Amino acid sequence: KAGVTQTPRYLIKTRGQQVTLSCSPISGHRSVSWYQQTPGQGLQFLFEYFSETQRNKGNFPGRFSGRQFSNSRSEMNVSTLELGDSALYLCASSLVPGYQETQYFGPGTRLLVL
Amino acid sequence: GESVGLHLPTLSVQEGDNSIINCAYSNSASDYFIWYKQESGKGPQFIIDIRSNMDKRQGQRVTVLLNKTVKHLSLQIAATQPGDSAVYFCAENRGTGFQKLVFGTGTRLLVSP
Repeated sequence: KAGVTQTPRYLIKTRGQQVTLSCSPISGHRSVSWYQQTPGQGLQFLFEYFSETQRNKGNFPGRFSGRQFSNSRSEMNVSTLELGDSALYLCASSLVPGYQETQYFGPGTRLLVL
Repeated sequence: GESVGLHLPTLSVQEGDNSIINCAYSNSASDYFIWYKQESGKGPQFIIDIRSNMDKRQGQRVTVLLNKTVKHLSLQIAATQPGDSAVYFCAENRGTGFQKLVFGTGTRLLVSP
């Protein structure tokens, strides 16, 4: 069974631009979560989607948004990019949203904002 | 605030040794913990998990111990191999009804031949 896939793997943008990242969960998984990883802040929860609905959001500004499609694929968008948005963005999927469901991570999208 | 943290940023061991990576948590209501391994350029890889109704759980070459009294868990890797070199994170899933992993700061395990 294929793992979580994320595209693109690498991205370079300039300040003020916007970016859309894509995540395809493991087949059959319906819950998708997004995390940001930086050297300074570590791994931080962004948001979680299930049944095309955002169920919870972490402590990030409104410039960070996402959505989930009927096939469980998810996208996240960052508008008006700032230098501090440079990070590895990770997507994780699980069968269902239950808090004891194991999450499996994709390889991440590395975003560099210049 | 409540946190999940690891004790040592770096752990260096010799190939064949047993490795122990520690993690402390502060939320006494926490009841589900996961260990992830992250290699350079990759996303975190699930290693093993443990629920609060257990004190110990074993996998292939790995054992997780949970001490709820002192709010501490550890990951033990037997016969550590160079391929075990990575950053190890403990994480707690704090979402009740939804997913929200809270990660520790990570311990880098360096295995020398």
